[in-house]
Amino acid sequence: EAGVTQFPSHSVIEKGQTVTLRCDPISGHDNLYWYRRVMGKEIKFLLHFVKESKQDESGMPNNRFLAERTGGTYSTLKVQPAELEDSGVYFCASSQTGGGADTQYFGPGTRLTVL
Amino acid sequence: DAKTTQPPSMDCAEGRAANLPCNHSTISGNEYVYWYRQIHSQGPQYIIHGLKNNETNEMASLIITEDRKSSTLILPHATLRDTAVYYCIVRVATGGSYIPTFGRGTSLIVHP
Repeated sequence: EAGVTQFPSHSVIEKGQTVTLRCDPISGHDNLYWYRRVMGKEIKFLLHFVKESKQDESGMPNNRFLAERTGGTYSTLKVQPAELEDSGVYFCASSQTGGGADTQYFGPGTRLTVL
Repeated sequence: DAKTTQPPSMDCAEGRAANLPCNHSTISGNEYVYWYRQIHSQGPQYIIHGLKNNETNEMASLIITEDRKSSTLILPHATLRDTAVYYCIVRVATGGSYIPTFGRGTSLIVHP
C-alpha cells in the first residue's frame, strides 16, 4: 500500500509569487490534514478535511493560504502571494476514521523556500 | 488542552533499551497518548498509541501509568537508525477534529 505522497519535494520561489503544493493521501482515507513547520519552530496544524469538506481550518495563518480537496481525493495548498515567513516544511497526513484514536500517517513533506 | 513534558535530549547505546519518558498530568479520560518520531527532515512517523493499557507493537512498547499522568516509550533494542526526535502527543479535540499538538520532543541519539 502506497503511503502519503507530496509534490513537489522542494520549491524555491520569490516573494510575491504563487506556489501550489499537492498531497495524495493513502487510498481510502477520508481525513486529510495539513501541517507546517517553520524553521526552529514546532510542527503546527493548519487544517483538516473530511472527504472534500473542511472540518477545521483554525490553523490557517491568513487568507493567502487556500486549501482545496475537490472530489475528496488529493488536496492542494496554494500560497498566494508568498511571503518570506511562509518558508518551511509543509506536511500532509491522512487517516482512515475520525474520533480520538485515528492514526495519522504523514507524507515526506514539501520544503518551501521563499526568497 | 493536555500538555506534555519531555526531556529535550537523551542518548542510548546501540543494542540497549531506550526509555523515553513523558509527563501528561492534565490528560483527560478520553484522550489518547500517541508517540511519533521524526528522523532528520522526514515526515513524522507513527510509532504507537494507547489509552490506559500498556501496548506493544513491532516498533516499541508503551507503558502508561495507572493514573495516566505519565508514560514511557520503550525501544527494546535501539539501533543507530532510531536516532530521531520523539514526540509524545496527547490528542486534543478542537473544532470537531482531534489534532496532535507537537511540542519540542526528545532528541534521541543512539551511539555505537
